[in-house]
Amino acid sequence: NAGVTQTPKFQVLKTGQSMTLQCAQDMNHEYMSWYRQDPGMGLRLIHYSVGAGITDQGEVPNGYNVSRSTTEDFPLRLLSAAPSQTSVYFCASSSRPGLATDTQYFGPGTRLTVL
Amino acid sequence: AQKITQTQPGMFVQEKEAVTLDCTYDTSDQSYGLFWYKQPSSGEMIFLIYQGSYDEQNATEGRYSLNFQKARKSANLVISASQLGDSAMYFCATSIIQGAQKLVFGQGTRLTINP
Repeated sequence: NAGVTQTPKFQVLKTGQSMTLQCAQDMNHEYMSWYRQDPGMGLRLIHYSVGAGITDQGEVPNGYNVSRSTTEDFPLRLLSAAPSQTSVYFCASSSRPGLATDTQYFGPGTRLTVL
Repeated sequence: AQKITQTQPGMFVQEKEAVTLDCTYDTSDQSYGLFWYKQPSSGEMIFLIYQGSYDEQNATEGRYSLNFQKARKSANLVISASQLGDSAMYFCATSIIQGAQKLVFGQGTRLTINP
């Protein structure tokens, strides 16, 4: 049982390049989400999904796209990277998205640098 | 809007002492959760403990306890008998339900345990 996995661990992009951050979970969780963590700050929600085929925006969605074709995978796409997207990206999942007290479990993170 | 405030940017504690990390929250929801996560220097987000807004007893998990004072809107983390491995960033978060559960994080407290 691997939990939440993310690839790659590190990535360097040039401005304008595109890439996809991968996230997978093997816990059959309905809910998956993406957060970003900027230096000296807590995490902020980018996008989330309550099940296959259902996604919605979080607090900071601009510049990012998501889709969810399977329960297990929730990739995050940067279509045209900008230096402001330099951050650490975390994927998380939980089993009951409508419950305020349900715990979200995080992946190890991807450190992205945009030059 | 929901908000988490962690007023201690950094704390230094002697090994084996107890430590309290402060967290105050602001929410208009009646049902919410309060969570603490640990982020060691390796970068991952580790779930420690949670408290539901309707729980009357303070949550405990091993050496961690959550001192929940609903009227004061505080959810302080208490670590008993601190260890060197407790040195890390600690984040308090509250959950809101807007379509699905979303976590709102504080800015964190960096805890350093001195031998």
